[in-house]
Amino acid sequence: QKEVEQDPGPLSVPEGAIVSLNCTYSNSAFQYFMWYRQYSRKGPELLMYTYSSGNKEDGRFTAQVDKSSKYISLFIRDSQPSDSATYLCAMSAGNNDMRFGAGTRLTVKP
Amino acid sequence: NAGVTQTPKFQVLKTGQSMTLQCAQDMNHNSMYWYRQDPGMGLRLIYYSASEGTTDKGEVPNGYNVSRLNKREFSLRLESAAPSQTSVYFCASSFRRRETGELFFGEGSRLTVL
Repeated sequence: QKEVEQDPGPLSVPEGAIVSLNCTYSNSAFQYFMWYRQYSRKGPELLMYTYSSGNKEDGRFTAQVDKSSKYISLFIRDSQPSDSATYLCAMSAGNNDMRFGAGTRLTVKP
Repeated sequence: NAGVTQTPKFQVLKTGQSMTLQCAQDMNHNSMYWYRQDPGMGLRLIYYSASEGTTDKGEVPNGYNVSRLNKREFSLRLESAAPSQTSVYFCASSFRRRETGELFFGEGSRLTVL
């Protein structure tokens, strides 16, 4: 079993839809949680960063962490074609170890 | 503002050949990393350098060597390439430790080993 599980998709939604992306993990020591966005043929770029449990909002993006369920989510409101990319979750226990999910490929259709 | 620059962007090798991937960052970051990205596997850390003069193994170091040439440059060498090393390689850098700070990635180097 992988330490970080992420559904690879692909996920296709119409423009304006609410998108929900999720990861589950097995290591209860993880306390730093990140979402990276990767456009085709590009390197990943940090989208959201959360420490421990709770919610964090940034514009149309909301990151949620539920440590009791070992489950993190990224919500995208009013999705746009420019949101079409692969979204990678990443997490760490803060001990010089960090794990990435495999990524979910999202397409937002006009 | 270049950020993290990787060369070459594409490379095809035959089994047993050697090559070096070059990486340079202009953000004055202390830490640099080499990852590989394979379908269904996510990003896996090969080697990292927490600061100039130090290097450490990551999750998948076998078959690779690295050199932190100076604060800006971090190279990855394949001494005897194998088909299992066909992958997309990403160099990244960060000001703080990667698990508590933002990683800045290059655009990737696509390597095929025949």
